[in-house]
Amino acid sequence: DAGVIQSPRHEVTEMGQEVTLRCKPISGHDYLFWYRQTMMRGLELLIYFNNNVPIDDSGMPEDRFSAKMPNASFSTLKIQPSEPRDSAVYFCASSLVWGTGNTIYFGEGSWLTVV
Amino acid sequence: AQKVTQAQTEISVVEKEDVTLDCVYETRDTTYYLFWYKQPPSGELVFLIRRNSFDEQNEISGRYSWNFQKSTSSFNFTITASQVVDSAVYFCALSEASGNTPLVFGKGTRLSVIA
Repeated sequence: DAGVIQSPRHEVTEMGQEVTLRCKPISGHDYLFWYRQTMMRGLELLIYFNNNVPIDDSGMPEDRFSAKMPNASFSTLKIQPSEPRDSAVYFCASSLVWGTGNTIYFGEGSWLTVV
Repeated sequence: AQKVTQAQTEISVVEKEDVTLDCVYETRDTTYYLFWYKQPPSGELVFLIRRNSFDEQNEISGRYSWNFQKSTSSFNFTITASQVVDSAVYFCALSEASGNTPLVFGKGTRLSVIA
């Protein structure tokens, strides 16, 4: 079975541009998570969805960030406008029913550089 | 609130040495789950193991072993006869069963195995 698929793997963009990161979760998984990894803050949860509905977006840093999940097999994380401090690795992850210790499986990450 | 501490920021060992990565956690829940993930230089996050709070049995998988001790709130990871391919950042993570709390990660330990 295919794992979590993210695109693009690498993106370099100029400050002020819109960035869209894409994710396809593992088929059958009800939960989808977006994490961000930076040297300073480590791995932090941005937002997660259950059955396509956003459950907790308290980790989204500011209004420039938005996430959607229009269907069970696709999610986007958008940054508009992007800033250099948004440079990080963005991971998408998915799992079966949460709260029972099911494993979260991660994609390979999207490496974003904003110059 | 849940918290994971990995006190060792970086560890360097010579190939074939044994190495233990420490993980200490904090939680008020009686039911919780502990995880270890590996992040090799290529950047992806690879799931290694999941443990629930009711199972204190140590686990061995090849050269990897895990020591879970509730009395000291620790979930340590030992690599026996380390190899260069073990060089990576290793993350310990915690999830509480109550409230569907997503995964909280430690800051990670960077392991370098020198040939």
